[in-house]
Amino acid sequence: AQSVSQHNHHVILSEAASLELGCNYSYGGTVNLFWYVQYPGQHLQLLLKYFSGDPLVKGIKGFEAEFIKSKFSFNLRKPSVQWSDTAEYFCAAINAGKSTFGDGTTLTVKP
Amino acid sequence: GAVVSQHPSWVICKSGTSVKIECRSLDFQATTMFWYRQFPKQSLMLMATSNEGSKATYEQGVEKDKFLINHASLTLSTLTVTSAHPEDSSFYICSASPPGQSYEQYFGPGTRLTVT
Repeated sequence: AQSVSQHNHHVILSEAASLELGCNYSYGGTVNLFWYVQYPGQHLQLLLKYFSGDPLVKGIKGFEAEFIKSKFSFNLRKPSVQWSDTAEYFCAAINAGKSTFGDGTTLTVKP
Repeated sequence: GAVVSQHPSWVICKSGTSVKIECRSLDFQATTMFWYRQFPKQSLMLMATSNEGSKATYEQGVEKDKFLINHASLTLSTLTVTSAHPEDSSFYICSASPPGQSYEQYFGPGTRLTVT
């Protein structure tokens, strides 16, 4: 069965700190990977996605993620976080129409 | 573009009654819509996938007769929670995919259901 795990449940950073959120998936075949963000009181929004090609994917708001096939990982990174990045972040894998989400990581950025 | 709305945004109902939640794609046609359930501090759990004009595909463990899904048009899918119980209280979120983009999902704002 397909599964997605996010290692960090809650991350607290100061502004300008660098961010890396871990995401690992378990599925042996072709899988499409996504990072979504949910700001407080808002709906899920797509940050970035990987289907194929360049394993380093750039998304909105300065976020990027690297797909490492050998590690079954798709970690999210941002070199310098802002207070407005405070939100819930979800990693997801979609294969053959089936969506599997990680448990989410709550990011709190202190001003 | 790619806006998905849900109605109502929150609803309170009594145990034993039924509640209908609507999911609409406002500026695109959605051949596929997904329904998720999210418990507090937890992730989204896919409940079912609905394709316009056909029966929904339910995930294992989701009761088809309790969570009725209808995808009657390319812009509207409905989820009806029948004979609701307090344990059905949750946050229900829908998403929609445009034709030919089955891996793209645009999410609605969610509906908070409280069953008393």
